This record gives sequence, C-alpha cells and structure tokens, in this order.
Amino acid sequence: GAGVSQTPSNKVTEKGKYVELRCDPISGHTALYWYRQSLGQGPEFLIYFQGTGAADDSGLPNDRFFAVRPEGSVSTLKIQRTERGDSAVYLCASSFQKAASGTNTQYFGPGTRLTVL
Amino acid sequence: AQSVTQLDSHVSVSEGTPVLLRCNYSSSYSPSLFWYVQHPNKGLQLLLKYTSAATLVKGINGFEAEFKKSETSFHLTKPSAHMSDAAEYFCVVSEDSGAGSYQLTFGKGTKLSVIP
Repeated sequence: GAGVSQTPSNKVTEKGKYVELRCDPISGHTALYWYRQSLGQGPEFLIYFQGTGAADDSGLPNDRFFAVRPEGSVSTLKIQRTERGDSAVYLCASSFQKAASGTNTQYFGPGTRLTVL
Repeated sequence: AQSVTQLDSHVSVSEGTPVLLRCNYSSSYSPSLFWYVQHPNKGLQLLLKYTSAATLVKGINGFEAEFKKSETSFHLTKPSAHMSDAAEYFCVVSEDSGAGSYQLTFGKGTKLSVIP
C-alpha cells in the first residue's frame, strides 16, 4: 500500500465506553509508534512496537490504555472506560527500523479523531 | 531526557518574504532532529531531518535548517514564503530512550500564516 492508514478517521463515543483504534503501517516496516495529539499541542508518545512486542510502553497514561500488534503488522490501540480527557487525535507512525540501529524516519498516518462525550 | 522549545507559537509573514521558525532542543546525547509540517486536517509530513551528517540540511519545498550544537538550535528557514506554506510546523528531537525506542519528542508547534 501507499502510506500508513488509520481507521476510523473519526470516532465519537460516550464516557465509560470501550473503543478500538486501528493502524495499518507501511508494508515491511518493523517499527510502529502510537502518539496522542491534544488540541493545540504537539503529539506525545504513547507506545512503541518492534515486531510483535511492545518494546516501550512508557508513554501510556494509565492502565485503561492498551495496544497490541499480534502479527507484527496491524496494531490496535484499545481504551477502556473512556473519559472526556481522552478526547484527542491518535496518530500512528511506522518506520523501517531495526532495534538499536538508530533513528529512521517515521511516517505518520492521518490520525483518528476521538471525541468522548 | 530530551525536549524541544519552539520559541514562537505564531509567525506571520508576507508572501515572498523570508521565513524563520525558531527551535531550541535539549538532549543528553547526539540527537536526531526533524521538522514536520501539518496542514489543516492532514497528516504530519516530514520536511527535513538532521542525523549528524552535514549541519545544513535541505528539505522539501525549499525549506532548510541549520544544526548549531553550540547554541542547541535547529531553526527552519525558507527564502521566500508561498501561500501554500501556511500550516503548523513542529520541531522534533529523537534519541534512544534506552529501550531501543527512538520515540519522537515534539515541540508545541508554530503556526505559520502567509499574508497575500
């Protein structure tokens, strides 16, 4: 495929509900990142996958947030018991990066705009 | 720990005049530095990156940035602004977090307006 794709593009949910956000990275990219961009701010790191494993989840704000990448390609970010403060644009990025090989360019998807009412 | 400070939240220039977007960084080691642009309702696009090669980095659409280690700066410039340059610009630093994660740390962004 062309670039990183994310679905849905928009998600509106009610406080307390569960949501799943999907990211489909560029084919062949081993590294996958999730970021969150609140209104008027720069994106903030959430979690990093190298292959199937979550190598760094230090950016997840609390245990309501969880992400998986079971086959080393598509990733799903899961948010339980959503709160109004979770409203933001959730961005996914992928890169062709081998662990400990140094920085490689991250390519971003268009994002999912999550609104919690 | 790494951090980025974008010195201006909003810059306004006239079409055809130079653009200067200022960025200072803090990093423990030798960082990689990037500028990304975000047009309204569109994804982040890489403009240019510095990874310890030449200190003057040329990017797309006529933009360039100079890495100055002594000043811990990475300012973005363009000789002549175009209307299509109006967007949000993010200065970004990256280094290994220690877990092999080259996560990006973004500044708060500078909104560039171009006046006809």
